[in-house]
Amino acid sequence: EPEVTQTPSHQVTQMGQEVILRCVPISNHLYFYWYRQILGQKVEFLVSFYNNEISEKSEIFDDRFSVERPDGSNFTLKIRSTKLEDSAMYFCASSYSLTGGDRETQYFGPGTRLLVL
Amino acid sequence: GENVEQHPSTLSVQEGDSAVIKCTYSDSASNYFPWYKQELGKGPQLIIDIRSNVGEKKDQRIAVTLNKTAKHFSLHITETQPEDSAVYFCAASRPNTGGFKTIFGAGTRLFVKA
Repeated sequence: EPEVTQTPSHQVTQMGQEVILRCVPISNHLYFYWYRQILGQKVEFLVSFYNNEISEKSEIFDDRFSVERPDGSNFTLKIRSTKLEDSAMYFCASSYSLTGGDRETQYFGPGTRLLVL
Repeated sequence: GENVEQHPSTLSVQEGDSAVIKCTYSDSASNYFPWYKQELGKGPQLIIDIRSNVGEKKDQRIAVTLNKTAKHFSLHITETQPEDSAVYFCAASRPNTGGFKTIFGAGTRLFVKA
């Protein structure tokens, strides 16, 4: 069964550095998402992305954050000037293929645990 | 603002008993309500969902109900088993110009005692 994959599984960085979290969504999916989950807390929406554009972003997604689909398979989240409070698990999700499935059902990756020191 | 309240935060049941988790949402534009199970160190996994044009849906031991007027929805797990132990999240989604915005509840940690 197709699945969303994410790399790396863990990332440790120094405060102020830039990180890039990578995701490979399910092939042929058209809608892409990033979420974060601070340890022990709820999953929080960061951004939705469609047709090479951000369709919506939350207040968490400030100007240090950016997303990109550099090629036909990868979907990346970049965080510049990382802060201690960026430490969290980051999940990528994708949904909807023209060949089947519904728009709403999102499939989540296993996550990248980011630790900012 | 958009918010999803979820109760209880922790639920402990005996194997074979039922478990009920309740959620309320605030955004009237929400029209899709998924439930996710999250095991330690893993991403959320969809276990069941319900759309706003449906009041109830069942899949084996799991059922969801939706009261759109009251903005309430709930998850029922019958004949619980130890492997049902996990954190469960409700969520409410509304469409945007390119996908959906999904707001999650705070989660319910379910313990099923053998």
